[in-house]
Amino acid sequence: AQSVTQLDSHVSVSEGTPVLLRCNYSSSYSPSLFWYVQHPNKGLQLLLKYTSAATLVKGINGFEAEFKKSETSFHLTKPSAHMSDAAEYFCVAGPQISSGSARQLTFGSGTQLTVLP
Amino acid sequence: EAEVAQSPRYKITEKSQAVAFWCDPISGHATLYWYRQILGQGPELLVQFQDESVVDDSQLPKDRFSAERLKGVDSTLKIQPAELGDSAMYLCASSLLGRAAYEQYFGPGTRLTVT
Repeated sequence: AQSVTQLDSHVSVSEGTPVLLRCNYSSSYSPSLFWYVQHPNKGLQLLLKYTSAATLVKGINGFEAEFKKSETSFHLTKPSAHMSDAAEYFCVAGPQISSGSARQLTFGSGTQLTVLP
Repeated sequence: EAEVAQSPRYKITEKSQAVAFWCDPISGHATLYWYRQILGQGPELLVQFQDESVVDDSQLPKDRFSAERLKGVDSTLKIQPAELGDSAMYLCASSLLGRAAYEQYFGPGTRLTVT
């Protein structure tokens, strides 16, 4: 069994300042980890994924996340927020790395990011 | 770029009526998922298909929900009868098999409102 905890339900930043969205996971194995973004009335879009030994993962739109096994964390960061980044962000745990199996994803409860002008 | 298609995008129905949602996955994706996303929460898996077979439907309320993927391509999710608590976004996703199964591609969803 696995679970995902997003530590903040809402985060508000000013445009041009750094973004930090926090995520912790719990799993009996080494899971694959993802961040998805959901804009209003849109489907989920994959931002980045961790499925290998590279602990710092770079994604689209300047986002990156660092996998820290000792802290069971996978926090999402961006150096400078843009107005278009305002959306809901989901941290997600997936199948065991290298299992090659199609299994359900376990979603966190989401973090709503607001970007102030 | 190939996308997962869903229809309708929005559906309003009265309590006790039947409702159906359709999903067409990305061509070649063997695995198809239906998720339900209640407002303010993350999506939860309802059912997973591999080709035309159900792999996991443990979270599907089988007394009122049904899902099929008859030819292993597109899929239909049905609710009969609908209840007020079914109001949610219904998301469809698809993925390849093997190592590529890590990445699921999501459709835009169907927003259901039950009145």
